[in-house]
Amino acid sequence: DAKTTQPTSMDCAEGRAANLPCNHSTISGNEYVYWYRQIHSQGPQYIIHGLKNNETNEMASLIITEDRKSSTLILPHATLRDTAVYYCIVTEGSGNTGKLIFGQGTTLQVKP
Amino acid sequence: GAGVSQSPRYKVAKRGQDVALRCDPISGHVSLFWYQQALGQGPEFLTYFQNEAQLDKSGLPSDRFFAERPEGSVSTLKIQRTQQEDSAVYLCASSLLRGLGGELFFGEGSRLTVL
Repeated sequence: DAKTTQPTSMDCAEGRAANLPCNHSTISGNEYVYWYRQIHSQGPQYIIHGLKNNETNEMASLIITEDRKSSTLILPHATLRDTAVYYCIVTEGSGNTGKLIFGQGTTLQVKP
Repeated sequence: GAGVSQSPRYKVAKRGQDVALRCDPISGHVSLFWYQQALGQGPEFLTYFQNEAQLDKSGLPSDRFFAERPEGSVSTLKIQRTQQEDSAVYLCASSLLRGLGGELFFGEGSRLTVL
């Protein structure tokens, strides 16, 4: 699986957009970008995923660069409840066993 | 409930004891995964089931770890002769689809402390 690089930690003011970057320079053509988050003492929660097009759902937006070597997760209006560790994961989309390789993630602290 | 349920939520074992951790996936979910999460680290893959078949167990750290899902629903992760390094949160996740074609739903985990 391709590896990802994320900043260790980030701060964001409540109500502002949180932009979480992820580098995945060795991604191959059939590999998807997934984002999960883990709030303290809970299991990871799926946020969004994409292949090459930008994606948006009720939680967030995912912007993938044209060369697919990096992506940004955007939380448009961060709240205190968005404080969590955010994991960027690259893995094969179909026919795969679903082996998510989590890495260290980015700890996002949303401040009032 | 509608989510993935794990029990016990907390388990304290003496070194050398056997433990069994249970996972009730979301009804109808085909795929089931076990992960191990050490303190301050991201979750690490242990094993994967598609229905009752264990298709990948490459992440199990030793032969002391054993997982089963005999009827394609409930799964049990068993750790024999526990060691201190087994202390971690054990996470179970399920997915409606075979393999990875959508989101995984995680339980809240079972925290194992080996003394």
